[in-house]
Amino acid sequence: DADVTQTPRNRITKTGKRIMLECSQTKGHDRMYWYRQDPGLGLRLIYYSFDVKDINKGEISDGYSVSRQAQAKFSLSLESAIPNQTALYFCATSDFGAHTTLGPSYNEQFFGPGTRLTVL
Amino acid sequence: KNEVEQSPQNLTAQEGEFITINCSYSVGISALHWLQQHPGGGIVSLFMLSSGKKKHGRLIATINIQEKHSSLHITASHPRDSAVYICAGSLSSGTYKYIFGTGTRLKVLA
Repeated sequence: DADVTQTPRNRITKTGKRIMLECSQTKGHDRMYWYRQDPGLGLRLIYYSFDVKDINKGEISDGYSVSRQAQAKFSLSLESAIPNQTALYFCATSDFGAHTTLGPSYNEQFFGPGTRLTVL
Repeated sequence: KNEVEQSPQNLTAQEGEFITINCSYSVGISALHWLQQHPGGGIVSLFMLSSGKKKHGRLIATINIQEKHSSLHITASHPRDSAVYICAGSLSSGTYKYIFGTGTRLKVLA
C-alpha cells in the first residue's frame, strides 16, 4: 500500500462549487504539505502543517483552506472553485530532523500520487 | 530569475546515450532532492544529497555546495527513463521548506 494517498485522483467540477481534496499518510510524519503544479511552473506551496495544531500559509494560499484532522490526515478545500484553480495537486509529508543517511536537520519530503482537478 | 534553475528545459536523446541534467540555485540549502515525474503524474524520489555524489543503478547525482550546482546523470539511457526530472532545494534556515526548479522534460527514443 502507498505511504501517502490522495483522494480523489481526478475531479471535474464547475465554477463556484466547493471541493475537498484529501491526503492520508501512514509514514507517521508530523509535517504535511499541499502543492499545486501548473504547466511550465515549478510546484508551488499552498499550505503546510508541522503538526496538528500548526498550520501555515504558503506562497499561494488565496482561495484555499486546509484542515489537519489528525497527524495522518490533511485536507485541502476550495470554497468556491474557479477555472484558474485547474491544476495538478500534490500532498507531501516529511519527518524533519531524522534522515537515515544524511543525519539530522534534513527535511526529505515524500509525495502522494496527485489529484488532477479541472474547474469548468 | 528563479532561485532554482534547471537546464535544459527539454531534452530528447537516443537510447543508450549519456544524459546530464543540471540544477543551479541561488539560495542557501541544506540538501538537494532529485525527483522524477512520469507522464501519469506521480512524483518519485530519486536522491537527496548534501555533498559529493550518490549512485543508484544507472543514475548518478552530484552536488557542489560551493558552486551551488547539482547534476543528475543517466547512463545508458532507456525509453523508460522518459519523464520530467525536478530538483528541489531544502532551505537551510527556518522551516527547511522546499524550493523547486521547473523541471526538465526528458524523452528517450528507442
